[in-house]
Amino acid sequence: GQQVMQIPQYQHVQEGEDFTTYCNSSTTLSNIQWYKQRPGGHPVFLIQLVKSGEVKKQKRLTFQFGEAKKNSSLHITATQTTDVGTYFCAGRGTYKYIFGTGTRLKVLA
Amino acid sequence: EAEVAQSPRYKITEKSQAVAFWCDPISGHATLYWYRQILGQGPELLVQFQDESVVDDSQLPKDRFSAERLKGVDSTLKIQPAELGDSAMYLCASSKLAGDYNEQFFGPGTRLTVL
Repeated sequence: GQQVMQIPQYQHVQEGEDFTTYCNSSTTLSNIQWYKQRPGGHPVFLIQLVKSGEVKKQKRLTFQFGEAKKNSSLHITATQTTDVGTYFCAGRGTYKYIFGTGTRLKVLA
Repeated sequence: EAEVAQSPRYKITEKSQAVAFWCDPISGHATLYWYRQILGQGPELLVQFQDESVVDDSQLPKDRFSAERLKGVDSTLKIQPAELGDSAMYLCASSKLAGDYNEQFFGPGTRLTVL
């Protein structure tokens, strides 16, 4: 069945450093979503990517969808303590979303 | 701002007991999801409804879990009997049916502990 993996599992950065998490699917995706989950909270939608090679930006966050629509990345420029949390990708195959394993980000002030 | 409601927020039960969780999605959202999230892992889809119909329940342990959305609005997830391995966060989410755009709105979840 479809699997979605994320690397790294954990990332500790100094405030102001950049951060990237990578998402890889075993199958081609129709679209991919990214969510952020704060400690003790629930996932909150960040963005959805649909087109091959698509790049979207939200302030310091840059999202990319691979040309083959099997991988994606989230890059945060100049991290802040408010970026702390776990970032999940969710890839859609036919009609359902499979969540990735998540990358937990810690930002050291 | 509209939110997905879930109750209870916390549930402690003994193994072999029955438990039930309730979810009220955002008004007008046709799609409703139940996820299970084990600590340190990503949410795992248990069941997905489109209105009152089940779209996918391939990962739902049907010998002990059941889910319903009778009028296509709120939904109930039941576990009977509960097992130790069922301890997890149970998240409900909803989304509009809007073409290929399916932003999922999550509720606060029900934290289940089975003793």
